[in-house]
Amino acid sequence: GAVVSQHPSWVICKSGTSVKIECRSLDFQATTMFWYRQFPKQSLMLMATSNEGSKATYEQGVEKDKFLINHASLTLSTLTVTSAHPEDSSFYICSAREPGPSETQYFGPGTRLLVL
Amino acid sequence: DAKTTQPNSMESNEEEPVHLPCNHSTISGTDYIHWYRQLPSQGPEYVIHGLTSNVNNRMASLAIAEDRKSSTLILHRATLRDAAVYYCILRDVIGGSNYKLTFGKGTLLTVNP
Repeated sequence: GAVVSQHPSWVICKSGTSVKIECRSLDFQATTMFWYRQFPKQSLMLMATSNEGSKATYEQGVEKDKFLINHASLTLSTLTVTSAHPEDSSFYICSAREPGPSETQYFGPGTRLLVL
Repeated sequence: DAKTTQPNSMESNEEEPVHLPCNHSTISGTDYIHWYRQLPSQGPEYVIHGLTSNVNNRMASLAIAEDRKSSTLILHRATLRDAAVYYCILRDVIGGSNYKLTFGKGTLLTVNP
């Protein structure tokens, strides 16, 4: 299947700093990417849908000014957690939708964020 | 949104077949049935998807009931590497060809050596 990468795989930061996470589709162009968050022993929760060249669509309850999403090219979407706090510590996972009849989503390996 | 119901957990023995059930009684005519699995500390991995007919790929088979209100993911010979949380998801269509996947709690599959 198609490959989606994320960078970094893990990050530790101090409270109040901003953290940027990159999501890349390596072997296909993705007009749509998705950002999820997963807390321990819970399922994935969709945060936002990232559309290339336009504004992201955020799920209810997700602060768009805190979680900045940029999808500047067909292979790259970034999520910036601004002014991170300990409660933002989580496992962040992106996915990219492969164009074509199947429209399968392929997921990145995830980024573990720890805010001290 | 159409929802799915899966058992919280299942157990299997290595090299035996595994049948993971999923109920989706409110499925609409255009909902695709997707299966993903997630190993610990990893992102989900695509397994298989289908609409009406049974589907086979190198990883698994998907059997879809005639009324489409249920489906079964079949792992023909379970290995220890198949131990994961398996998610059965109906594709939500939002605005044209875009869609999002809504994850439930899934089924935690344990494979015994």
